[in-house]
Amino acid sequence: SQQGEEDPQALSIQEGENATMNCSYKTSINNLQWYRQNSGRGLVHLILIRSNEREKHSGRLRVTLDTSKKSSSLLITASRAADTASYFCATDSSSYKLIFGSGTRLLVRP
Amino acid sequence: IAGITQAPTSQILAAGRRMTLRCTQDMRHNAMYWYRQDLGLGLRLIHYSNTAGTTGKGEVPDGYSVSRANTDDFPLTLASAVPSQTSVYFCASRPGGQGHEQFFGPGTRLTVL
Repeated sequence: SQQGEEDPQALSIQEGENATMNCSYKTSINNLQWYRQNSGRGLVHLILIRSNEREKHSGRLRVTLDTSKKSSSLLITASRAADTASYFCATDSSSYKLIFGSGTRLLVRP
Repeated sequence: IAGITQAPTSQILAAGRRMTLRCTQDMRHNAMYWYRQDLGLGLRLIHYSNTAGTTGKGEVPDGYSVSRANTDDFPLTLASAVPSQTSVYFCASRPGGQGHEQFFGPGTRLTVL
């Protein structure tokens, strides 16, 4: 079974609104990563947060990590139509393997 | 241009045929990975390689084999394709183990009839 599970599975918002996606995982991790996938394309890395970090920012992205709850959230502020994509969390443990969740499909309506 | 290339872009294959999906990276990354992506299931790891000469099984390895003869190439072989192997296949690489981002190829869309 997959390590990370995203919630919601799909999200539709208006341009300019904020989008929040959540990720829960099951076992201990060294870091958690978020990726974006445009339709029909490969995944692109967005941000990495280490297990000893609680929050990280990159441009309009804000990621939080709560290791006690085994959860993370990705916030995209002031969304744009170009942010329409699927977003995946991936957990990185000591096994040299990234385990991906099933993703959140985000639609930003112009 | 540095990155990962995959070939073919897409393929329709008769069940029972043998097929090799190619993956090449020019970033000198040690670790390489093969995933399959199916609707509603996200990415599932098929096989991985931490360094040239070594390979390991992922979450869904049955029906697939890999080899890692050198740093750059990581081919995925379906010995006898079945319809359930219809999927989009992504190759990825990263410099080392944990703590690094993965770089993904553009994918191969495979249909097994």
